[in-house]
Amino acid sequence: DTGVSQDPRHKITKRGQNVTFRCDPISEHNRLYWYRQTLGQGPEFLTYFQNEAQLEKSRLLSDRFSAERPKGSFSTLEIQRTEQGDSAMYLCASSLVGGATYNEQFFGPGTRLTVL
Amino acid sequence: AQSVTQLDSHVSVSEGTPVLLRCNYSSSYSPSLFWYVQHPNKGLQLLLKYTSAATLVKGINGFEAEFKKSETSFHLTKPSAHMSDAAEYFCVLSGSARQLTFGSGTQLTVLP
Repeated sequence: DTGVSQDPRHKITKRGQNVTFRCDPISEHNRLYWYRQTLGQGPEFLTYFQNEAQLEKSRLLSDRFSAERPKGSFSTLEIQRTEQGDSAMYLCASSLVGGATYNEQFFGPGTRLTVL
Repeated sequence: AQSVTQLDSHVSVSEGTPVLLRCNYSSSYSPSLFWYVQHPNKGLQLLLKYTSAATLVKGINGFEAEFKKSETSFHLTKPSAHMSDAAEYFCVLSGSARQLTFGSGTQLTVLP
């Protein structure tokens, strides 16, 4: 399967712990996006990378959230000092700028975070 | 600022009858609009997209959407619903940096 993959699929943690999620985009895609989806809502944009550069991060929910894409391939999203309100599905998507798919974003299956 | 409003949170139809999922948008520039579908425990899948070409857009699985600038609408339709169409549907607007703005979703139920 050559789609977007995310790991882990599920994460249960205690309040105050740090968590890190990984996203592996489609291999030739140069843009990578992170979204958060809470129950009953549509996904909301958090941040995105073009290659290794993080071009937008003002929408990250607080300074407890950070993301990296060190070599322009996979990306990680870290949440420090988790709170119960962080419980949500975290989605990753990738796209190829300028490609035939016209910036279509391909989504991974998501990581479901539960903070106890 | 840009936004997407899905006018119905739940739509219920009988199998074999038409589907209409309504979406209005607000954008300060010519928008790119999409419909995505999300089946339970599966990732978001693109149904169709409008990118300033033809205003009537055909997608996968028999779905269509018509872009109406005068009404700022992008409603999703299908002539005949199938049981497998039951899912959550999102109307989506693409921003200047291509980040997506999602509507709140419409849950489609298909009754036998």
